[in-house]
Amino acid sequence: ETGVTQSPTHLIKTRGQQVTLRCSSQSGHNTVSWYQQALGQGPQFIFQYYREEENGRGNFPPRFSGLQFPNYSSELNVNALELDDSALYLCASSLGANAYEQYFGPGTRLTVT
Amino acid sequence: QKEVEQDPGPLSVPEGAIVSLNCTYSNSAFQYFMWYRQYSRKGPELLMYTYSSGNKEDGRFTAQVDKSSKYISLFIRDSQPSDSATYLCAMTGGGNKLTFGTGTQLKVEL
Repeated sequence: ETGVTQSPTHLIKTRGQQVTLRCSSQSGHNTVSWYQQALGQGPQFIFQYYREEENGRGNFPPRFSGLQFPNYSSELNVNALELDDSALYLCASSLGANAYEQYFGPGTRLTVT
Repeated sequence: QKEVEQDPGPLSVPEGAIVSLNCTYSNSAFQYFMWYRQYSRKGPELLMYTYSSGNKEDGRFTAQVDKSSKYISLFIRDSQPSDSATYLCAMTGGGNKLTFGTGTQLKVEL
């Protein structure tokens, strides 16, 4: 069984730039959720993708957007990067939209300068 | 006030000690309660989840939920240095998102 994978591991961007983060869900899972974890904080829910549609969104602005592909992998796109976007971005996969059995990937650490 | 409160620690214990980690919450709609372990610079690892009130045991780990008090706990018996990590509680009402605490940093010393 293949776990959740994310790429890249880390990257550095400049304020105002755009970034795309990628996630491959665990084998057999059809749902991907994205979270942002600032240093010293718990993860915050960004949004979830279920059957290639956005299925719920947290308190994040529209410059955070995503996609899910037919193979259930997913992308998170962030436009017009701000310094406060610096964080660990986590992808979690699950079988179905319920949150209580989500399995996380290793995360992508984004630094915005 | 945050929906989920968790003491950030750090909590330092000797090897072999029983560790008690706790969270309180304010949203009575929460029905599923999870504990995740997160090593430095890694993603959270699901340890166990509990539905509604009661206890659940898995090896050295025991999770307790008291919905009447809006209080959950994770106990670790015979703690090991490899248990040193940040422990995150998380909750959901059965919907699509998890609400996390800030995490408690645990260090188990030899």
